Amino acid sequence: AQSVTQLGSHVSVSEGALVLLRCNYSSSVPPYLFWYVQYPNQGLQLLLKYTTGATLVKGINGFEAEFKKSETSFHLTKPSAHMSDAAEYFCAVSGTGGSYIPTFGRGTSLIVHP
Amino acid sequence: GAVVSQHPSRVICKSGTSVKIECRSLDFQATTMFWYRQFPKQSLMLMATSNEGSKATYEQGVEKDKFLINHASLTLSTLTVTSAHPEDSSFYICSATQTGIHTEAFFGQGTRLTVV
Repeated sequence: AQSVTQLGSHVSVSEGALVLLRCNYSSSVPPYLFWYVQYPNQGLQLLLKYTTGATLVKGINGFEAEFKKSETSFHLTKPSAHMSDAAEYFCAVSGTGGSYIPTFGRGTSLIVHP
Repeated sequence: GAVVSQHPSRVICKSGTSVKIECRSLDFQATTMFWYRQFPKQSLMLMATSNEGSKATYEQGVEKDKFLINHASLTLSTLTVTSAHPEDSSFYICSATQTGIHTEAFFGQGTRLTVV
């Protein structure tokens, strides 16, 4: 079975500060990993994904994430937070056990202070 | 990128009535679509997997007769909430994977259902 743990239901940063959203997964095989962003009353937008190859993945809006197999982690970072980054962020895993249905973490709400 | 269109974005209905939500893949074929329910401040809960031309596969605890899913074509899946009650009020989201390509799911914009 695959699962995702997002540490911290809320993360608060100042505008211009580093953003770090944590995600750990459990999987018996190399997984596919995703970060999605959700704005209020909207669907999910893909920020970035890891399937194979380079472990440092760059996404949209200046976000990036690094797949660390030894730590079973896929933390999301952005060097400088912007007010428009305030949203809900979901980490997801798929591709294990023959299932491509993504399993989502519980989400982390990013709050950006001016 | 691939686009999934979900309609309506918001709907208010009276208790006892049925509501249909459509999910369309606009520029790709989707053999498989997924329906999720999201409660406030919570993650997405998979309700069912919809496969074109066959019956949907429902997750444990999801009432098949309450949430009717039809996937009649490679670009359209519908979710019908039958005999809706206030407790069915929620945010419903569909997603689709491109036929033969499973490395990414594309999401609709969601439907806010309010049952009064």
